[in-house]
Formats: sequence, C-alpha cells, structure tokens
Amino acid sequence: DIEMTQSPDSLAVSLGERATINCKSSQSVLWSSDNRNYLAWYQQKPGQPPKVLIYWASTRESGVPDRFTGSGSGTDFTLTINSLQAEDVAVYYCQQYYSSPYAFGQGTKLEIK
Amino acid sequence: QVQLQESGPGLVKPSETLSLTCTVSGGSVRSVSHYWTWVRQPPGKEPELIGYIFYNGSPVYNPSHKSRVTISVDTSNSQFSLKLNSVTAADSAVYYCARVLKSREGHVYYMDVWGKGTTVTVSS
Repeated sequence: DIEMTQSPDSLAVSLGERATINCKSSQSVLWSSDNRNYLAWYQQKPGQPPKVLIYWASTRESGVPDRFTGSGSGTDFTLTINSLQAEDVAVYYCQQYYSSPYAFGQGTKLEIK
Repeated sequence: QVQLQESGPGLVKPSETLSLTCTVSGGSVRSVSHYWTWVRQPPGKEPELIGYIFYNGSPVYNPSHKSRVTISVDTSNSQFSLKLNSVTAADSAVYYCARVLKSREGHVYYMDVWGKGTTVTVSS
C-alpha cells in the first residue's frame, strides 16, 4: 500500500503571508502511461466534508482561488497558499489515487498566527 | 448540480450491522464517468475510503474492510448503500458518501462531490 505523509502536522501563518504544506508518498504516484501524478489536495473546514482543491497534483478545481497552487511530481508534493485569508483556516489533506486503497495523508491543520 | 445526502441510524450497538443510504439528486447514479463511494473519518483522523461501486458493476472494497462490508446501488431510486457488519467502537466515525471521477478504462480518480456526512456512534 502507498502511504502518504504530510508535514508539518500544523502551522500558523499570518494573514497575507504564504503557507506551505508538504506531502510525501511512499512510492511514486506518477503514472507512466499518461505522465500524470495521481494526487489530489482537499480542504476540510470544521463540520464540513472535504472539498477538492487540486487534482493531478497541480490542476485547480473550478472555483478555487488562484492563491492555491499545487506542485511536485513522483513522490514529493507541495500545496502553497499565497496571501493567506481568514477563510483558509482548515485542515488540508493530500490523497493518492494511483492505487488502492487510495490513502489520505494524516492532515495539516492551518491556523492564523 | 449533483448533491448527495446520507441517511441512517446515528447509533448502532456493538456486533450489529451499520446501514447507511446515500441519495443522489441533481444528477444520475447511472453516470458512466463516475463511481460512488463511501468514506469514513474517525474523530481527529484522516478520511478513509471504504469502497466504491459503478452503477452496473461489482463493488470494490478496501481490503481492510472487505470481510465486513457490502456496498450496493439502487438505480431506480438513485441511491447507493453501505452495510458494515459486526461493528465495534472503532467503527464510530463520520461517514460520507461521495462521487468519484473515473477514467474510461475504469481507473479511480479523485472525489469531486461529497455529502455532508453522518455521524455514527457504536455503543451499547
């Protein structure tokens, strides 16, 4: 099974500053036949279901503000949130959909400093 | 747009069967581009995919739950269901139904629509 590990577990960032969340998979999630990374990022606010922000590691879901950027390839990925807004307070998860059981990372809790 | 709504008991006794239903509205469960999935999230932990099903196909289960899980689809009522038997306190969680994009070849992609979730507590 592919394991997903995020870092840090939590971080506090000032409003208007940049937040960076990392995700590492235990094996590559880059599919050679289509050259796409089978990785998504989700945002979960308290009492709400996860919401997809980024898929294919770097494609922003429709309606997601462009301050959210996904990058990386193979086993190492990053979610960057530029110009942090108060509404970005949430837990962020990465998830691989390369192979079953399609595991999520343990989550990164983002707070305002 | 497509909306999903979970329903079912919020309290289940140990050793009994957890049964939940997800109703799909604003779209068709017969979509050729999607699977339908159940995901659970214990308090303070990450989500975990339990299994998924295509509208006219066999379900696929997370090996961790395969022996206790049944997922089925009812196209006539635009619903899909989860049964988890022999539950213990470890099965207490928020249970979500979600829609999963899929490739034409059947590969699972990401979850793009989620229900609001329903809390299930296993306790006597």
